[in-house]
Amino acid sequence: NAGVTQTPKFQVLKTGQSMTLQCAQDMNHEYMSWYRQDPGMGLRLIHYSVGAGITDQGEVPNGYNVSRSTTEDFPLRLLSAAPSQTSVYFCASSSPGKGYTFGSGTRLTVV
Amino acid sequence: GENVEQHPSTLSVQEGDSAVIKCTYSDSASNYFPWYKQELGKRPQLIIDIRSNVGEKKDQRIAVTLNKTAKHFSLHITETQPEDSAVYFCAASMDTGRRALTFGSGTRLQVQP
Repeated sequence: NAGVTQTPKFQVLKTGQSMTLQCAQDMNHEYMSWYRQDPGMGLRLIHYSVGAGITDQGEVPNGYNVSRSTTEDFPLRLLSAAPSQTSVYFCASSSPGKGYTFGSGTRLTVV
Repeated sequence: GENVEQHPSTLSVQEGDSAVIKCTYSDSASNYFPWYKQELGKRPQLIIDIRSNVGEKKDQRIAVTLNKTAKHFSLHITETQPEDSAVYFCAASMDTGRRALTFGSGTRLQVQP
């Protein structure tokens, strides 16, 4: 039981490049969500999903896309990277009545 | 949408003292209130949580209280130890609609030996 697995752990992108941050959970959790954490700040919700095939926007969705084709996977796509997207990205999952479990994060730098 | 405010932003205590961190939330539909501890460079770790049908919950040196009427909840850490030093985040969510966490801005707790 690996919990929530995020890949890659570190990534450097050039402005304008696209990439996908991967998130997978093996706990059969219904809920999954993506957060970004900027230095010295709290976690802000980007997108979330309450089940396969269902996604919705959080507080800061611009510049990001998500899809949820399976219960296990919830990838986050950066369409055209910008320096403002330099951040640490956390994926989390949960089920009704349970707390959220976080992945170890992806540290993204856009130059 | 939900808005969670957290105070203080920094807190310094002597080892053995108690620490209290307070949060308020705006959406009366929120019914789940977890607290996370985050050490430098690590992921947030759930340390305690409470649901809206409970007023207080305790786990060893950590307790959380909830006042639904006033829409605020607090984390209490007793007999603090240097290893309690970290950033603590409160959060709120609900079991319908947006079932994702809205976080407070965090409290940096420093326990002085």
